[in-house]
Formats: sequence, C-alpha cells, structure tokens
Amino acid sequence: RKEVEQDPGPFNVPEGATVAFNCTYSNSASQSFFWYRQDCRKEPKLLMSVYSSGNEDGRFTAQLNRASQYISLLIRDSKLSDSATYLCVVLNTGNQFYFGTGTSLTVIP
Amino acid sequence: EADIYQTPRYLVIGTGKKITLECSQTMGHDKMYWYQQDPGMELHLIHYSYGVNSTEKGDLSSESTVSRIRTEHFPLTLESARPSHTSQYLCASSEFSYEQYFGPGTRLTVT
Repeated sequence: RKEVEQDPGPFNVPEGATVAFNCTYSNSASQSFFWYRQDCRKEPKLLMSVYSSGNEDGRFTAQLNRASQYISLLIRDSKLSDSATYLCVVLNTGNQFYFGTGTSLTVIP
Repeated sequence: EADIYQTPRYLVIGTGKKITLECSQTMGHDKMYWYQQDPGMELHLIHYSYGVNSTEKGDLSSESTVSRIRTEHFPLTLESARPSHTSQYLCASSEFSYEQYFGPGTRLTVT
C-alpha cells in the first residue's frame, strides 16, 4: 500500500469554481503534512502546511483529519493561474517525506 | 524564494559516461535529498542526508552515489550513465521537520 494516495484527476473546472482535492495517508503516526504545487516541468513549491486545526491562506483552505487519515485542499474562486499539479506530502516519524502522485487541475476560461 | 541551486539544468550525455549533478543550498539546512521524477509521475527518493558525513539510500535504487562533505553541498554521481537514467533529478533541503525547498532540477538525457 502506498504511503500517500491521491486522485490523479484530471480536474477541469471553469474560472470561479470551487474545487476540492483529497489525499489519504497510511501511517497513523505521520507528523507533518503539506500541499505542494508543481507546474509543468518545474520543481514542486510549497503551497501550504496543513495544521490539525485547519488553516486558510487566501482562497486556499487545508484540513487534516487524523482519525480518518486524510488531508484536503479547497480552492475557492479558481483562477487560470491555479492550473497545476497539486502534491500531497506527508512527513513520517522516520523523518522521510512521502509524496502523492499529484492531482492535475486545469482551470478553463 | 528558496536558495537552492542545481547545475547543470540540462544535460545530454552518452551511455557509459560518468556524471555528477551538483546541488548547493545557502540556507544552512542539515537535511538534503535527491529525488527522481519522470514526466507526469510521482517523485521517488533516491538519496538523503541528515548532515555532514551522513548519507542514506532512499526507496529507489538508481545506481548512483552521493557525498556530504559540506553542509551546503550534496552532489549526486552516476558512475556509468544508461538510457534508463533519463529523467528529471530534483534536489531538496529542509530543516528539522519543516517543509522541503526544491532546486530547479536537472533534466538528464542519456543517449
């Protein structure tokens, strides 16, 4: 079983839409969680860390459900510039980062 | 912007050649990582280091070696390049349990 699993999509949504991505992780002792954004042929860049209480950064909201071992990312009022692949990343107790395969988002005009 | 650099950015090389991919960071991070990523695929950890003179193999055996003689420098060496090594190689660094910062990557093609 993979450490981190994501729906690969693709998600094609119109501008202004709200879109949600989910991610599940297998190690219940995992300690830190992140969402990264990766543009085509570029390196991943941190979008936001995910805290137990949930956190928001502008149009982006991340939530963590430790009991169900899943992480979510909500994007409101989608912009064309949000088109990218979103990677769910988990840091486990061995201090190793595990990456999901990524969810592809295309925002359509 | 993260201060982590990789050279070369692009490399085309023949089979059997020895190559070294350079990675440097100026953030003073103890932890550094090398990942391999094929187009549209997930990242695979190939090597990591928790500090000077510390190196470990990751999940993917890529027939490569690394060294960590200085905190800021973490080069990756392929002793004998093969076409199966064609991929993008990403270097990253982090501090304690915080997020990783990635370099721009080296796109390697072995002919």
